[in-house]
Amino acid sequence: AQTVTQSQPEMSVQEAETVTLSCTYDTSENNYYLFWYKQPPSRQMILVIRQEAYKQQNATENRFSVNFQKAAKSFSLKISDSQLGDTAMYFCAPGRGSQGNLIFGKGTKLSVKP
Amino acid sequence: GAVVSQHPSWVICKSGTSVKIECRSLDFQATTMFWYRQFPKQSLMLMATSNEGSKATYEQGVEKDKFLINHASLTLSTLTVTSAHPEDSSFYICSARDIAGGPLEQYFGPGTRLTVT
Repeated sequence: AQTVTQSQPEMSVQEAETVTLSCTYDTSENNYYLFWYKQPPSRQMILVIRQEAYKQQNATENRFSVNFQKAAKSFSLKISDSQLGDTAMYFCAPGRGSQGNLIFGKGTKLSVKP
Repeated sequence: GAVVSQHPSWVICKSGTSVKIECRSLDFQATTMFWYRQFPKQSLMLMATSNEGSKATYEQGVEKDKFLINHASLTLSTLTVTSAHPEDSSFYICSARDIAGGPLEQYFGPGTRLTVT
């Protein structure tokens, strides 16, 4: 079974600082996608960034970037210049199978402090 | 674009009754929709995958006779919780994939809070 491990249940960071959230996963597939979603207090799931496993280049989306290590099955999220609005639960989610079913990690609760 | 709605956003029902939750893709067509369940302070658990016009595929441990899923059109999927019990109280979230393709990205609805008394 595919597993996803987010080893940091909670993290906090000062506004404008940088923080890295870790994620490791297990999969038997070769071609797949990986996603980071955030869930603010409203509970609406919001896509933060995605990575295609066949691409070696790490994905970047404004202040968000990933460090994807395929061999190590590691997919960490770096948030630069943290903002108060980044406060949320962050979930790592590899896609599985031809329909891309998402398997979510347990999440990391990030608090950005002023 | 890529908006998914859910209705109702919050529902309270009595034990033994059934409740239906709707999931709609508002500005795109969705061949595949997913239903998740989320307990307080926990992660999302995939319950089932539904494809338009065919039977849903349920994850292991999810009772298909209790959680009825219908995906009758490319913009609507429904989840019916039958004979609800207090332990069915949870936050239910749907998501949808755009028929136009894309990297398997799913667009999420805002969720439905179900409370069974």
